[in-house]
Amino acid sequence: AQKVTQAQTEISVVEKEDVTLDCVYETRDTTYYLFWYKQPPSGELVFLIRRNSFDEQNEISGRYSWNFQKSTSSFNFTITASQVVDSAVYFCALKSGGSYIPTFGRGTSLIVHP
Amino acid sequence: SQTIHQWPATLVQPVGSPLSLECTVEGTSNPNLYWYRQAAGRGLQLLFYSVGIGQISSEVPQNLSASRPQDRQFILSSKKLLLSDSGFYLCAWSPGPQSADTQYFGPGTRLTVL
Repeated sequence: AQKVTQAQTEISVVEKEDVTLDCVYETRDTTYYLFWYKQPPSGELVFLIRRNSFDEQNEISGRYSWNFQKSTSSFNFTITASQVVDSAVYFCALKSGGSYIPTFGRGTSLIVHP
Repeated sequence: SQTIHQWPATLVQPVGSPLSLECTVEGTSNPNLYWYRQAAGRGLQLLFYSVGIGQISSEVPQNLSASRPQDRQFILSSKKLLLSDSGFYLCAWSPGPQSADTQYFGPGTRLTVL
């Protein structure tokens, strides 16, 4: 069985603050894939990143960075110098065991105040 | 490039009325297709998925049904809507059945049943 936990239900920050969204996963498989999606108020889920279990390199894309740590089964997402446009619900997801059905976390609502 | 369309964008229907939501994907062939529902509270619930024309798997028993009449067309239907069917319906596609394949989501349909 696989499980994704996003313990932070809602985070509120002021613009320009750094913020980290936590994602903890569970799987018995050695090969698996982790994903992050952003859901702005418009509703569409926007794909942000995919990481496989064999690549523990951290990833940086502009103000976004991801920290993958197999030792703690975590795949955390950091936004540096947050902006109002970053306000959204962020979902972490896991696919493993050859399954094409992802397991999603419950999402973290990020509110960035001006 | 691939694009995914959903319509209508919003829908208000009375209880007991029928439902038909449509999803189409462009720019790819033989995609895996998925229907999700997102009720208030943000969690994503997988309703149906399809790996090919006429092949539908149901994840949750309910009064909804899905069909895939063409390779890149996925339809969500109901003969009689319930109040509990209200929510945000998202269609998604992935290139294939592998765990590595990323799901890409459409813009969604917001359904209100009165």
